[in-house]
Amino acid sequence: DGGITQSPKYLFRKEGQNVTLSCEQNLNHDAMYWYRQDPGQGLRLIYYSQIVNDFQKGDIAEGYSVSREKKESFPLTVTSAQKNPTAFYLCASSIIGTPNTEAFFGQGTRLTVV
Amino acid sequence: GQNIDQPTEMTATEGAIVQINCTYQTSGFNGLFWYQQHAGEAPTFLSYNVLDGLEEKGRFSSFLSRSKGYSYLLLKELQMKDSASYLCAVRGTSGTYKYIFGTGTRLKVLA
Repeated sequence: DGGITQSPKYLFRKEGQNVTLSCEQNLNHDAMYWYRQDPGQGLRLIYYSQIVNDFQKGDIAEGYSVSREKKESFPLTVTSAQKNPTAFYLCASSIIGTPNTEAFFGQGTRLTVV
Repeated sequence: GQNIDQPTEMTATEGAIVQINCTYQTSGFNGLFWYQQHAGEAPTFLSYNVLDGLEEKGRFSSFLSRSKGYSYLLLKELQMKDSASYLCAVRGTSGTYKYIFGTGTRLKVLA
C-alpha cells in the first residue's frame, strides 16, 4: 500500500541530546514537509523540500535540520539548540507542478523531552 | 505576510448544520484545503477549492471567495464522530508549493 510512514510514534529525549525523526514515503511525491503541532494549535511549517538535495526553511526552522538525499526520505533532526522541542511532529508529502493536490500526512511522532 | 484565521472553538448539536469560517491573506494562491484532525492523530483531507463557489462532497461542502480571501466548511447532519479539529490551509505558488495552515477550529458535537 502506498503511504507515508513516520517512526517512531513516541520518542523521549534527554535535554541536550539531538534526535532524528524518520519520514519515508512510497507515493513518488516530489515534495515533502515537516510540521510541528503544539497542544490545541495548528500546524507550523519547519522545513520543506521540493526536490532531492534541496530544501527550504519554513516559519520555525531554528533548532532543526533536515536532509533530502533520496526522494523517498526526509529525516528531521531536532538539535539541542531547539529550546522547546516537546511537540507532535507531522511529516507530509505532495505532488508539485499540478495544482489542487492535497498533502498526505504520516501518523506523526510525539516527542517528549525529559 | 501570510495570515490564516479561524475561530478557535465551536459547539453544535447532533443532527444540526455548522459552518466553520476561514479568512486568509497570503502571497500567492494555489488552492484552499480543509482537513479534519482527531485528537492525537494525523490530519485527513476533506476538500479543496481553487475557483470561487461551492464544492459539495456528501455531508461536507466548502465555499471559496478569492476576492474576499474567505472560505467556509459546511458540515450537515452532524454526528458525534464529527467532533474534531478542522484545519484550513492555503497552498502557495511561484515555485513554493508549501501549505500554510490556520490554527484550526475545535468542534464539539453534543448529543
